[in-house]
Amino acid sequence: DGGITQSPKYLFRKEGQNVTLSCEQNLNHDAMYWYRQDPGQGLRLIYYSQIVNDFQKGDIAEGYSVSREKKESFPLTVTSAQKNPTAFYLCASSKDTPGANVLTFGAGSRLTVL
Amino acid sequence: AQKITQTQPGMFVQEKEAVTLDCTYDTSDPSYGLFWYKQPSSGEMIFLIYQGSYDQQNATEGRYSLNFQKARKSANLVISASQLGDSAMYFCAMREAPFGNEKLTFGTGTRLTIIP
Repeated sequence: DGGITQSPKYLFRKEGQNVTLSCEQNLNHDAMYWYRQDPGQGLRLIYYSQIVNDFQKGDIAEGYSVSREKKESFPLTVTSAQKNPTAFYLCASSKDTPGANVLTFGAGSRLTVL
Repeated sequence: AQKITQTQPGMFVQEKEAVTLDCTYDTSDPSYGLFWYKQPSSGEMIFLIYQGSYDQQNATEGRYSLNFQKARKSANLVISASQLGDSAMYFCAMREAPFGNEKLTFGTGTRLTIIP
């Protein structure tokens, strides 16, 4: 079945360490997104990419980095520069066509900084 | 100013009753789209329904309907005949342009609990 796979589901990190969250999709979608979810704040956009080898900052990109070397993959690195990285991270993709551009989400990765 | 406002942090509804989840939005763009997503305790976001700003009729998808009142800038989700499986967080989201700007802005969500 087509879908989005995020790994790991749970991740623990010590302060000062970089961590990379994986996101893979087999939906043949052009666009991919990373969102951060904190309690009571809804989802906030970190980065998005509409085409391979290109990506744009979202509303809260500081302390994060991404790459888009393949259409299927959009990994997110949480760097040590991110001051409060403990959160639930959601990856999404879409066909990037005009009209009702529905996002399909992965199951999420929960990062906890110890 | 908040682009998407969901004023109900939590709601409790008796099983089989209908429920309305409120959503108001703020935009000056004449072309926009409104979405509702469901997030069960597992964490995955599930798309429920979509309404385009130029759509003449309210969107419906099975037990879900969207009460779109453009002049009031509201896009309330109506769930008919609620079920225990409807217990989840519900998010309203808005996309402000159909071309080129594919970001969604999400509200803070409403936690719906269905009581047996």
